[in-house]
Amino acid sequence: NAGVMQNPRHLVRRRGQEARLRCSPMKGHSHVYWYRQLPEEGLKFMVYLQKENIIDESGMPKERFSAEFPKEGPSILRIQQVVRGDSAAYFCASSPRSQGTSGQNEQYFGPGTRLTVT
Amino acid sequence: GIQVEQSPPDLILQEGANSTLRCNFSDSVNNLQWFHQNPWGQLINLFYIPSGTKQNGRLSATTVATERYSLLYISSSQTTDSGVYFCAVVRAQKLVFGQGTRLTINP
Repeated sequence: NAGVMQNPRHLVRRRGQEARLRCSPMKGHSHVYWYRQLPEEGLKFMVYLQKENIIDESGMPKERFSAEFPKEGPSILRIQQVVRGDSAAYFCASSPRSQGTSGQNEQYFGPGTRLTVT
Repeated sequence: GIQVEQSPPDLILQEGANSTLRCNFSDSVNNLQWFHQNPWGQLINLFYIPSGTKQNGRLSATTVATERYSLLYISSSQTTDSGVYFCAVVRAQKLVFGQGTRLTINP
């Protein structure tokens, strides 16, 4: 049973380019979360998606960042016109149910994508 | 929003020692998870523990939800236990992380 998969694992972009990060949730999981970890800091929530729906994007910067989770295929986090401050590790997590439901419902994390903006 | 505080921020121990890591949170929670981020950056699920006590090998965790804290115990530490330990609580469908405890186990 494969875990959460993310690719690429490492991504280098020049300032002004676009970055696309992909996340495939665990089999049977329909809830996807993106988190960002800046150097020497904890993880911060960015966005929560279900298939074809953005449920909560309160942690996303207002400009340049977008996310989707289409009916088919992985979830995509897209960063347009990257700047040096976007350099961070971006983690995706998945869960089988929404966090508000009862029962065991932990989030499982992928290995992350380390984005470096030069 | 909810505050999650972990202590100590750093801990350096010799192999074989025991340790206790603490996580305080400022409001009631339904879910709490402990993670280990290894030196390669991977986040490993340790415990899903909204209340009560769980054990897994040399690790155990206790959450006292009414008093808003959780403890992670590591016994007979090994060098592979080194890394950063995070607790995280669920608030409005998302995980809110503490700043972590950096544990270094020396041989």
